[in-house]
Amino acid sequence: DAKTTQPPSMDCAEGRAANLPCNHSTISGNEYVYWYRQIHSQGPQYIIHGLKNNETNEMASLIITEDRKSSTLILPHATLRDTAVYYCIVRVVRGTGNQFYFGTGTSLTVIP
Amino acid sequence: NAGVTQTPKFQVLKTGQSMTLQCAQDMNHNSMYWYRQDPGMGLRLIYYSASEGTTDKGEVPNGYNVSRLNKREFSLRLESAAPSQTSVYFCASRGGLPSGNTIYFGEGSWLTVV
Repeated sequence: DAKTTQPPSMDCAEGRAANLPCNHSTISGNEYVYWYRQIHSQGPQYIIHGLKNNETNEMASLIITEDRKSSTLILPHATLRDTAVYYCIVRVVRGTGNQFYFGTGTSLTVIP
Repeated sequence: NAGVTQTPKFQVLKTGQSMTLQCAQDMNHNSMYWYRQDPGMGLRLIYYSASEGTTDKGEVPNGYNVSRLNKREFSLRLESAAPSQTSVYFCASRGGLPSGNTIYFGEGSWLTVV
């Protein structure tokens, strides 16, 4: 199963772009990359997902490398409320259903 | 909108006791999940249910049983609690359009086994 590797922590200045990297070198062709974040100990919140094309929504952009072995989540203008743990996740599709495997995440601190 | 509701929110158990964590979703989702999160760690999948009547093991199923009671409800049971099961438990659901690719989480259940 594909697993993800993320830096344990990062800082970002308020108003600047936050770029969070993720390695998923063993990802298979039909496995999606998802990003979630968790603020304090609340339930994780969906941010964005993609398969092989770059994606953008109102919260963030997702850049996936051509070989799909890594990706970057971009928060274009980080605010203090973006301080959270960000998880890069691979969705594994099995005959019995979809499994979402979380890594240990990156703790992002947005600094005033 | 309630989304995913878990009960209880907090529970203290003695070693060897049993208990059931309840989870219900009101989004008509097919798939439901149980995760645990230990301090400073990411979430680990315990069990999941792709649809009503089916359940499958995740990464860390030992010491747990699950029941998909109906489409709305997915319960997690600890038959004989151990201190190693002290954790925060999250239930989640996924399915249906337009949110078919997104999983929604409950707010968590804090379990301490002493």
